[in-house]
Amino acid sequence: NAGVTQTPKFRVLKTGQSMTLLCAQDMNHEYMYWYRQDPGMGLRLIHYSVGEGTTAKGEVPDGYNVSRLKKQNFLLGLESAAPSQTSVYFCASSLRDAYGYTFGSGTRLTVV
Amino acid sequence: KQEVTQIPAALSVPEGENLVLNCSFTDSAIYNLQWFRQDPGKGLTSLLLIQSSQREQTSGRLNASLDKSSGRSTLYIAASQPGDSATYLCAVSNQAGTALIFGKGTTLSVSS
Repeated sequence: NAGVTQTPKFRVLKTGQSMTLLCAQDMNHEYMYWYRQDPGMGLRLIHYSVGEGTTAKGEVPDGYNVSRLKKQNFLLGLESAAPSQTSVYFCASSLRDAYGYTFGSGTRLTVV
Repeated sequence: KQEVTQIPAALSVPEGENLVLNCSFTDSAIYNLQWFRQDPGKGLTSLLLIQSSQREQTSGRLNASLDKSSGRSTLYIAASQPGDSATYLCAVSNQAGTALIFGKGTTLSVSS
């Protein structure tokens, strides 16, 4: 089925460990986004990309890095995980003209 | 800075009741507004997208309206059902293809 696929769905990390979250879309969307969702805070934008090879910071970028080497993939990296990064991470994509956004099913990350 | 507010934060209604969820935004210069549904532990499902030039959109029992000048949108749910129980999120984009800015959502519970 066409859409946005996030890998992994669940992960537990120890403080200081690193990991990469993968987002893949097969809809040929130009724009891709990474959000985090925390209780009482809603969804907040971490980083986004307006095309292959481009990335930009969102509202809460500290502690994260991203890469968009291929149009269909958007990677979110945590170099040194902290308990404050415990959250549910959502990837989304959209067409250039913003006709709707498609979200992945999320990655639940716990940092202990 | 665009801010999105949703009232009420939670709502409980008996089955069959018609209800209205409210969304307000501080900057009326939006590109579009989107309503999502999120079930517990799941991702976001797009319900309705309203372009800035439109006044309303309808899908089945759902009707969303947009009043840009007053910075408000409403999501009307007719003849509510227990299956409508979920969190409803409102989000706006300020430019084509830019990231969505989310409200914190309204959690709806429909009792049978």
